[in-house]
Amino acid sequence: GAGVSQSPSNKVTEKGKDVELRCDPISGHTALYWYRQRLGQGLEFLIYFQGNSAPDKSGLPSDRFSAERTGESVSTLTIQRTQQEDSAVYLCASSPIMGSNQPQHFGDGTRLSIL
Amino acid sequence: AQSVAQPEDQVNVAEGNPLTVKCTYSVSGNPYLFWYVQYPNRGLQFLLKYITGDNLVKGSYGFEAEFNKSQTSFHLKKPSALVSDSALYFCAVRDMDTGRRALTFGSGTRLQVQP
Repeated sequence: GAGVSQSPSNKVTEKGKDVELRCDPISGHTALYWYRQRLGQGLEFLIYFQGNSAPDKSGLPSDRFSAERTGESVSTLTIQRTQQEDSAVYLCASSPIMGSNQPQHFGDGTRLSIL
Repeated sequence: AQSVAQPEDQVNVAEGNPLTVKCTYSVSGNPYLFWYVQYPNRGLQFLLKYITGDNLVKGSYGFEAEFNKSQTSFHLKKPSALVSDSALYFCAVRDMDTGRRALTFGSGTRLQVQP
């Protein structure tokens, strides 16, 4: 079946612009996660969603970052007034049940470059 | 707090030789442990997980990992390396006894298998 889909795959934008990244999770997966991966580094947790529960935003690095998810479907990660340090690969993952021992399934990411 | 350490930035091994990629973790409770692999310009792919039970866990592509509670380690192993195993490997942990839901990842180890 279809995996986690992210778009765009690459995004280049000027400093100060807003960007919106999209994630389509695997159908039926109730949990959705966003991570950031800087060049040569591991993954930093940003935010996760579980159904209609309040999201865990504890990993968002600043108030320029926000994310939304409607029900158990698409999620968008928005970065306002982008800075050069926002350049990274943004990875989305989904899993069947939040907080369980189920592995997370990852998309291929959006590579964001801030000029 | 939970954390993961992957002490080697890179591991080099000859094709056909056994390989080990090291991982140690720190959690306050009991761990869920995962290994993921990342190929260039791709998201992370799940390899294997430890939840409970046997300390030796077998996963995809002939990989296995050994959970050692006393040493708080979860090293990834394979008896005979292939050139196609060359990739970036991430260890991740979640504390099953706390409220933190997202995985904490190590910084990754690049595995290079030489023909």
